[in-house]
Formats: sequence, structure tokens, C-alpha cells
Amino acid sequence: DVQLLESGGGLVKPGGSLRLSCAASGFTFIYAWMSWVRQAPGKGLEWIGRIKSKTAGETTDYAAPVKGRFTISRDDSENTLYLQMNSLEIEDTAVYYCATENNGIEHWGQGTLVTVSS
Amino acid sequence: DVVMTQSPLSLPVTLGQPASISCRSSQSLVYSDGNTYLNWFQQRPGQSPRRLIYKVSNRDSGVPDRFSGSGSGTDFTLKISRVEAEDVGVYYCMQGTYWITFGQGTRLEIK
Repeated sequence: DVQLLESGGGLVKPGGSLRLSCAASGFTFIYAWMSWVRQAPGKGLEWIGRIKSKTAGETTDYAAPVKGRFTISRDDSENTLYLQMNSLEIEDTAVYYCATENNGIEHWGQGTLVTVSS
Repeated sequence: DVVMTQSPLSLPVTLGQPASISCRSSQSLVYSDGNTYLNWFQQRPGQSPRRLIYKVSNRDSGVPDRFSGSGSGTDFTLKISRVEAEDVGVYYCMQGTYWITFGQGTRLEIK
């Protein structure tokens, strides 16, 4: 079974940084395109970005609200996906999910909560 | 950006009755490869989203056959033939043709 386990969430002050991790298992990670999706409290789903597989160039795409502040990376040797978040804003408060892509988003992790507050 | 608009946003349904959710995109979701990357997700209270339907009408493994998807171009529909108590939650459409965007969500509740 596909398993995605996010970690690294917590409370951070505005302007601060945080790095999230997503440990993947149950599928061939090196060939997977991976995304991050967030959900603010009581709100809907917002895609924030993706990283393609190495065979597809390992390129990244980002949604406008996070471009230039967030960076997605991966370590295929560790089957782990990362989200580096800098210059955090109160509006970045959300549960952050990592997800696999196969004909769009497919499998989701359980999410990790990031709270940006002074 | 492609905007996904769902209706209704709230859907009270009697147990055993059918339900239908509409999703419209601001531009055609037909990709250059001929596929239409329109998915449907269910998010039960307190849980992560779960994909139900991919590429308009393909049910994911383990999804009950009371769920069905249809549509083309810019107009899509998720139908539940007979609503059960476990179907309570929020349903989202998602397009993957032009990066990824989600609809606002439709909250299904039992009347």
C-alpha cells in the first residue's frame, strides 16, 4: 500500500522558515511526480507545487502565492520529499499534504499542520 | 489560471436518494494528448482527501459503483446513485490539464 508520512509542521513566527518532509513507501518513488497541497483551517484545497521525477528532468512548478518563497526538493535515495518554506506569512497557516501524481493527484498523506503566528 | 466552479456548495440529501454535483472549468480541460484530466475527491470529516474518479469517469480501486463521473470539455458531474451515511463529507473536483487547481468544494450532508 502507498504510504506518505509528513512531518516537520509546527508553530513559526511571521517571516520565519520551516522545512517539511514526506517519507514515501509502497511505490517506486524515483519514478513518481510528487505534489504538495495545503488546506487552511475550514477552507478548501490549494495546490502549491510539484516536482517531477528525475527521468522527467526533476523540474518544479509552483503556484503564484508561494513562488519565490517555497522550494520543493526530493531525495530519491531516501524516498523522501521536502518542502522548504521561507518568509512565512499568516496566510500560510494550513495543513500541508504531500501527494502522488498519476493522472492528477492520486494518493495523499495524513498532513502536517503549520501555524504561522506571532 | 484555470478556475473550477462547483455547484451547489451545500447539498442536503436524504439517505437512499441520488445526489449530483456540478463542476465547470473556465476553459476546456482536453489536453494535447486527448485526455481530460478531471478528477473527483471525497474528504470525510477529519480525514485526508481520497480520490474517487480520475480522467472524468474512471473509478479508483475500492470506490463503490454508486459513484460515477461524466462530462466533457468544461462541464462535469459527479453522481451518487443512492447516498449512504458514509458519504457525508466535502467533495472536490480537480483539473490537472493546466497545472492543478481545485473547485471550492461541495459539502454533502444527510437531510
